[in-house]
Amino acid sequence: ETGVTQSPTHLIKTRGQQVTLRCSSQSGHNTVSWYQQALGQGPQFIFQYYREEENGRGNFPPRFSGLQFPNYSSELNVNALELDDSALYLCASSLGGAGGTGELFFGEGSRLTVL
Amino acid sequence: AQRVTQPEKLLSVFKGAPVELKCNYSYSGSPELFWYVQYSRQRLQLLLRHISRESIKGFTADLNKGETSFHLKKPFAQEEDSAMYYCALSMNTGFQKLVFGTGTRLLVSP
Repeated sequence: ETGVTQSPTHLIKTRGQQVTLRCSSQSGHNTVSWYQQALGQGPQFIFQYYREEENGRGNFPPRFSGLQFPNYSSELNVNALELDDSALYLCASSLGGAGGTGELFFGEGSRLTVL
Repeated sequence: AQRVTQPEKLLSVFKGAPVELKCNYSYSGSPELFWYVQYSRQRLQLLLRHISRESIKGFTADLNKGETSFHLKKPFAQEEDSAMYYCALSMNTGFQKLVFGTGTRLLVSP
């Protein structure tokens, strides 16, 4: 069973640039959630995708967007980067719908630094 | 607004001592509570959830709706328990959104 993998692990961008982060979900999972974890804080919910549709969103501006593909992998896109976007971005997959336990399986994260 | 509070950033105990990591929440509906743990150089993973009422690695947590608490307890700490612990709240919103606390680092010394 393959776990959740994220890429890249680290990246550095400058203000105003755009970034795409990628996530491969665990085998058999159809739901992907993205979280932002700032230094010293707990993870904060960005949004969730279930069967290629966004079905929940946290308190993040529209410049945070995402996609989920037919194989349930996912991308997080952030436009017009700001210094405060510097954080660890966590992807978590789960089995949604009937039969799902709701347990989230996390990747190791992508650490974004915005200069 | 939904909120999870973990008042201690760091909890330092000796091996064999009892451990209690505090978690309080605010949510007007019927919550589902979790404890997630991150060991050194590992990813965040589920430790236990209140619905299952299990003991995992000797840890237990009881949901107290009157005190809106979900404290994590272990009677005898082990060195391998040293990790970052996050309390999280899930609301019945039709999708699973976890609200995390800021975490407590548990350090168990020999």
